[in-house]
Amino acid sequence: DVKVTQSSRYLVKRTGEKVFLECVQDMDHENMFWYRQDPGLGLRLIYFSYDVKMKEKGDIPEGYSVSREKKERFSLILESASTNQTSMYLCASNDGSRVNYGYTFGSGTRLTVV
Amino acid sequence: GIQVEQSPPDLILQEGANSTLRCNFSDSVNNLQWFHQNPWGQLINLFYIPSGTKQNGRLSATTVATERYSLLYISSSQTTDSGVYFCAGPTQGGSEKLVFGKGTKLTVNP
Repeated sequence: DVKVTQSSRYLVKRTGEKVFLECVQDMDHENMFWYRQDPGLGLRLIYFSYDVKMKEKGDIPEGYSVSREKKERFSLILESASTNQTSMYLCASNDGSRVNYGYTFGSGTRLTVV
Repeated sequence: GIQVEQSPPDLILQEGANSTLRCNFSDSVNNLQWFHQNPWGQLINLFYIPSGTKQNGRLSATTVATERYSLLYISSSQTTDSGVYFCAGPTQGGSEKLVFGKGTKLTVNP
């Protein structure tokens, strides 16, 4: 089974801190994604990466950056955390081929910024 | 980008009942996926179904791409089916990026 592992299940950070959320997948997938999920707003795409060092902005990239130095790892960075970034963060990957296009999600990181 | 609308927003069933969830999308899609989010927040991919019908146990899905909708059927529902069901389609054309509907919250009572 494909596994997408997010490093932390729960995180509490202070306003202004630099925060790193890590995501690792073990199936050599080209594509990786970061979403955030908020009540009433659903899932919204923050960033997408289609290869090492390649990225595209999603719908809500402001306040975030990403890093993909190795194919299996995709990091989301909150440069200066703010309370409005309190949310559930979900990482996903897929292999980009038409044979199996489905996303696989990690279990999520619930981030609270105080 | 495409709009994805799901109905109903909430659904309450007794164990053993059948249900149909609907997903309408505003433009043609070549990548339609259904997910189940359990009460602990884990999102599980149920189907990748750009067209046609697929079945997996008590769940099946049908996408009619020409009419821009997809249906998820749950038969003989169990309490473990509770959670939120999402459908998602590509933001545009052949994009890898998905836009999600707001979900259908299903509660199955014993």
